[in-house]
Amino acid sequence: KAGVTQTPRYLIKTRGQQVTLSCSPISGHRSVSWYQQTPGQGLQFLFEYFSETQRNKGNFPGRFSGRQFSNSRSEMNVSTLELGDSALYLCASSLWSGVATDTQYFGPGTRLTVL
Amino acid sequence: DQQVKQNSPSLSVQEGRISILNCDYTNSMFDYFLWYKKYPAEGPTFLISISSIKDKNEDGRFTVFLNKSAKHLSLHIVPSQPGDSAVYFCAASRGGADGLTFGKGTHLIIQP
Repeated sequence: KAGVTQTPRYLIKTRGQQVTLSCSPISGHRSVSWYQQTPGQGLQFLFEYFSETQRNKGNFPGRFSGRQFSNSRSEMNVSTLELGDSALYLCASSLWSGVATDTQYFGPGTRLTVL
Repeated sequence: DQQVKQNSPSLSVQEGRISILNCDYTNSMFDYFLWYKKYPAEGPTFLISISSIKDKNEDGRFTVFLNKSAKHLSLHIVPSQPGDSAVYFCAASRGGADGLTFGKGTHLIIQP
């Protein structure tokens, strides 16, 4: 079974631009979660989508948004980029939503650099 | 306010010895705990988990211990192998209601 894939792997943008990252979950998985990893804050939860609906949201500004398609693929968007948005963005998929014992499997991440 | 803390940014252990990684949490609503391992340029990989109704879970060389009264968990790796060199993240969940809350990680280095 193929793992979680994320595209692109690397991205360079300038301040004020917007960016869209893509995540394809493991086949059959319906939940997709997004996390931001930075050296200072570590891994932080952004949001989770299940059946095309946002189920949970972390403590991030409205510039961070996402969506999920009927095939469970997900995209996240960051508008009006700031230097502090430079980070590794990780996507994780699981079978269901809201089940603690349902393991989340992570993709390799997208490294975003904002200049 | 960090709800999951890994106070050791790095740990060096000799090959064949036991590696003990520690994690503390502050939120008593957490009821499920996980350990993930991360190599450079890869996403975190699930290692082992434990429910709050247990105090120990074992899987091969990996054992996780949970002390609820102390709000502390630890991961034991015995024996440590060179391939265990990686960053280890402790994570906690509130019944799956929110996303995982991660610690900042401990870089484990296994020395030959």
